[in-house]
Amino acid sequence: SQQGEEDPQALSIQEGENATMNCSYKTSINNLQWYRQNSGRGLVHLILIRSNEREKHSGRLRVTLDTSKKSSSLLITASRAADTASYFCATVSNGNTGKLIFGQGTTLQVKP
Amino acid sequence: NAGVMQNPRHLVRRRGQEARLRCSPMKGHSHVYWYRQLPEEGLKFMVYLQKENIIDESGMPKERFSAEFPKEGPSILRIQQVVRGDSAAYFCASSPAWNTEAFFGQGTRLTVV
Repeated sequence: SQQGEEDPQALSIQEGENATMNCSYKTSINNLQWYRQNSGRGLVHLILIRSNEREKHSGRLRVTLDTSKKSSSLLITASRAADTASYFCATVSNGNTGKLIFGQGTTLQVKP
Repeated sequence: NAGVMQNPRHLVRRRGQEARLRCSPMKGHSHVYWYRQLPEEGLKFMVYLQKENIIDESGMPKERFSAEFPKEGPSILRIQQVVRGDSAAYFCASSPAWNTEAFFGQGTRLTVV
């Protein structure tokens, strides 16, 4: 069964705007990760945030984690057309085998 | 350090044949994951392996599918007696430890005709 659920399923914005994607999960986690996938290609790791962390930054990316609400958000600031892709959250649960479980993803389109 | 290598990139099999998908993890990585992806969908977990051990195969169909990660050589995902429903992209990822980032290959697109 899938652990993470992304919201929205699809997002369309203009270049320069910010994009926010949310991820909810069900069980206690060791860490939560965000990945990006360009059409038909392999996934690229963006950020890993551990359960004892609340916020992480990487360039134009900002990830927050609220373990009390079992949710995370990915913010892309000053979006570019090249940010157009699918974004997935993935979790490693506590007390589990260590497998990495992905959600269904958010498809982001950035219009030039 | 080469990335995760999957081959072949594209594989066409007739119904009833066997498909063997290979994944060479990044150097120094002993953890391998296999996922299946249908068009416009997310990645469905299949199996998680460490060198010579299957850690979690809860996402893999009980019949026709098997996976291995031998001491030497690549990880292999094997699908016997393929059916049309097995057509999908199969992605492999590797990591150095169980709770770190995973690095993905470019996938193998399997088409069953």
